[in-house]
Amino acid sequence: KQEVTQIPAALSVPEGENLVLNCSFTDSAIYNLQWFRQDPGKGLTSLLLIQSSQREQTSGRLNASLDKSSGRSTLYIAASQPGDSATYLCAVMTDSWGKLQFGAGTQVVVTP
Amino acid sequence: NAGVTQTPKFQVLKTGQSMTLQCAQDMNHEYMSWYRQDPGMGLRLIHYSVGAGITDQGEVPNGYNVSRSTTEDFPLRLLSAAPSQTSVYFCASSYKGTGASPLHFGNGTRLTVT
Repeated sequence: KQEVTQIPAALSVPEGENLVLNCSFTDSAIYNLQWFRQDPGKGLTSLLLIQSSQREQTSGRLNASLDKSSGRSTLYIAASQPGDSATYLCAVMTDSWGKLQFGAGTQVVVTP
Repeated sequence: NAGVTQTPKFQVLKTGQSMTLQCAQDMNHEYMSWYRQDPGMGLRLIHYSVGAGITDQGEVPNGYNVSRSTTEDFPLRLLSAAPSQTSVYFCASSYKGTGASPLHFGNGTRLTVT
């Protein structure tokens, strides 16, 4: 059974620092890996999707890498801002239909 | 552009009551799913559907029923509510097949069972 782990569970950084969020998974047979952002009391917003054949994806200040062989993905957020405070979740797609297995998330606080 | 719409946003039930959580999407997505989110446990898949008339169980299906009569709608039914079903429920949808389509989420229904 695929298991997805995110460490640390919580992270606090001062504004301007780069954020590094980690995600690991136990089975390398994935279709894609997705990073989401969740604000308190809200739904999940898709940030980046890395297909299984890709090594990384970038969007603005966000960059996500994927190493299937080691079962790891890293989300980098450059020059963090207080508005980046949220919970970040990673998920791996385990079949071609769209089923996702989620990690428990990393709660990020960026202090001014 | 509504995306994925869930109703209601909040609901309080007594043990043993039944109810239906509504989910609708306007993106013509084949794949729709229901997740529950509990503190420290991430999101867990309850049921999913890959098209009208086709549904299947996820990781935690007990106590829930689904049906998919149209592409747009995917309601989740709680048959006899229990306190263990207190959670936040999310509906999500995507195009199926290629692994290139991100999952789109609704804003959730916060359910409390007393």
